[in-house]
Amino acid sequence: EIVLTQSPATLSLSPGERATLSCRASQSVSSYLAWYQQKPGQAPRLLIYDASNRATGIPARFSGSGSGTDFTLTISSLEPEDFAVYYCQQRGTFGQGTKLEIK
Amino acid sequence: EVQLVESGGGLVQPGRSLRLSCAASGFTFDDYAMHWVRQAPGKGLEWVSGISWNSGSIGYADSVKGRFTISRDNAKNSLYLQMNSLRAEDTALYYCAKDRIAAAGLNWYFDLWGRGTLVTVSS
Repeated sequence: EIVLTQSPATLSLSPGERATLSCRASQSVSSYLAWYQQKPGQAPRLLIYDASNRATGIPARFSGSGSGTDFTLTISSLEPEDFAVYYCQQRGTFGQGTKLEIK
Repeated sequence: EVQLVESGGGLVQPGRSLRLSCAASGFTFDDYAMHWVRQAPGKGLEWVSGISWNSGSIGYADSVKGRFTISRDNAKNSLYLQMNSLRAEDTALYYCAKDRIAAAGLNWYFDLWGRGTLVTVSS
């Protein structure tokens, strides 16, 4: 069973700053990894699939990278609406989430 | 409008059963695999079960295997989750989610989610 470990658990940044979120898999998953954003009271939203492909309608400030066991979600310049919880996912496994909060 | 609407949640006693439904609209339901994902209060996401477009591929999380059964009725554009022998740890918001692409098997990227239906297991 694959385990996904996200870091940090909480990230405190200001609007306009760059955010870097990490997801590490316990074994290689090739590029089969997705990222989701979830805001309070809302369903998750698919941001990135196959490690680096933006889903339909996702702004270009969101980018994904990595392969094998180490993956990164980068938000180039934070907008107020980007503060949320982010999850990585590989097939039937989700990471525990990273909360991105306003500093 | 493209949407998924879950129903059937509620308060149920441990050991009892509940059946969740998910009504799909705005897309060709029988082209896509579908999934159930749950989220316990204040916790993260947990995949529960998935079913391919023709019900030929079905999967369950270990935590629900043998107790939950996923099914679909393509004629009714509906997805179901039969939950038996419910436990307190099954308490969660249950989301219905759609695979991103129309393909055989389970694609595992969920590009459309419902708003969820809350299941509370308590005596």
